[in-house]
Amino acid sequence: ELKVEQNPLFLSMQEGKNYTIYCNYSTTSDRLYWYRQDPGKSLESLFVLLSNGAVKQEGRLMASLDTKARLSTLHITAAVHDLSATYFCAVFITGNQFYFGTGTSLTVIP
Amino acid sequence: NAGVTQTPKFQVLKTGQSMTLQCAQDMNHNSMYWYRQDPGMGLRLIYYSASEGTTDKGEVPNGYNVSRLNKREFSLRLESAAPSQTSVYFCASSEAPGLRYASTDTQYFGPGTRLTVL
Repeated sequence: ELKVEQNPLFLSMQEGKNYTIYCNYSTTSDRLYWYRQDPGKSLESLFVLLSNGAVKQEGRLMASLDTKARLSTLHITAAVHDLSATYFCAVFITGNQFYFGTGTSLTVIP
Repeated sequence: NAGVTQTPKFQVLKTGQSMTLQCAQDMNHNSMYWYRQDPGMGLRLIYYSASEGTTDKGEVPNGYNVSRLNKREFSLRLESAAPSQTSVYFCASSEAPGLRYASTDTQYFGPGTRLTVL
């Protein structure tokens, strides 16, 4: 059974601090996605990681992919309140299927 | 350019009633998906359509049927609703997830349908 596990599930952090969200998956895939969801809203694409060693950065967020370890990370630098949201990773597998992690609910405290 | 649209936004059904959730995209995407989102469980794939004319089961297809009406539209039908189908339903589309280095290779999501089955 394919598993996509994120940790932590809940994260409360102070503004200005750094933290990393982890996404582990149990099957072979070289394609990993990160999404953001604000409360009551839809999902918005953040990053697409298409190969081993891929690193993408946008503002205070940086995502990386290690396909050999089956691990992706989403690093938050100097958090600000606007980053408060739920973050999902998703793995793409053969057959055009995406499997999502359970999400990490991030709250940034002033 | 509306992206992915879904109707209705909210719906309340009684157990045993049927309904169809509609989804349309105007980005000329090949692939379309239906997910359900439940608290603490992330998004789970119900059905998907890799291209016009094809549909396949995802992780949780029981109790649902789909129709890929044309390239733009992908509908989800609940034939006999059950309380366990109370959820938020999202439709998504993507250009070409099978192409290895497609620069726009991601999913675009609709606003969601909040369904309650009593």
